[in-house]
Amino acid sequence: AQSVTQLDSQVPVFEEAPVELRCNYSSSVSVYLFWYVQYPNQGLQLLLKYLSGSTLVESINGFEAEFNKSQTSFHLRKPSVHISDTAEYFCAVSDDQGGSEKLVFGKGTKLTVNP
Amino acid sequence: DSGVTQTPKHLITATGQRVTLRCSPRSGDLSVYWYQQSLDQGLQFLIQYYNGEERAKGNILERFSAQQFPDLHSELNLSSLELGDSALYFCASSVGAQTSYEQYFGPGTRLTVT
Repeated sequence: AQSVTQLDSQVPVFEEAPVELRCNYSSSVSVYLFWYVQYPNQGLQLLLKYLSGSTLVESINGFEAEFNKSQTSFHLRKPSVHISDTAEYFCAVSDDQGGSEKLVFGKGTKLTVNP
Repeated sequence: DSGVTQTPKHLITATGQRVTLRCSPRSGDLSVYWYQQSLDQGLQFLIQYYNGEERAKGNILERFSAQQFPDLHSELNLSSLELGDSALYFCASSVGAQTSYEQYFGPGTRLTVT
């Protein structure tokens, strides 16, 4: 069975500092990997995804994640965070076994950006 | 705005009662997924429908059921409610043809069981 581990439940950082949110997955088959962001009192928004091809994927707001098959990781990074990045971030994995695209989520990491 | 709508936004009900949550997927999406988000369990997949038929089942209780109608909207029915069913219930939709694998989430329905 698939599983996702987000190693940090909370990450406080100062504005303009770099940040890395860690994600490790467990799966015996080819996987598709996602990062979703949840702002307070809102639904989840897709931040970026890895399906195939280049192992480094980027979002439009400066986040990037690198798929590392040997370490079964998909860590999320941003070189300089803003106050507006404060949110909860979820790593998720999907596979196409049985024709379902269901997502298995990690427990989430709360990123707090302080001035 | 993801294009996925969910109603109602909030629901407060008593133990033992039954409620129905409704979801309308994005235009053109054939797959609908239901997820439950709670403080202790996190985000858990409940069930998926594709073009009216059940495609996959997750940790969905027997007291819960769902269906997808011909117009592709979906309903999640929760019965014999318990305090532990209090959670945020999300609906998501996708094209469902195993192409982009992207799921678009609605704003959620917050269920409080008292």
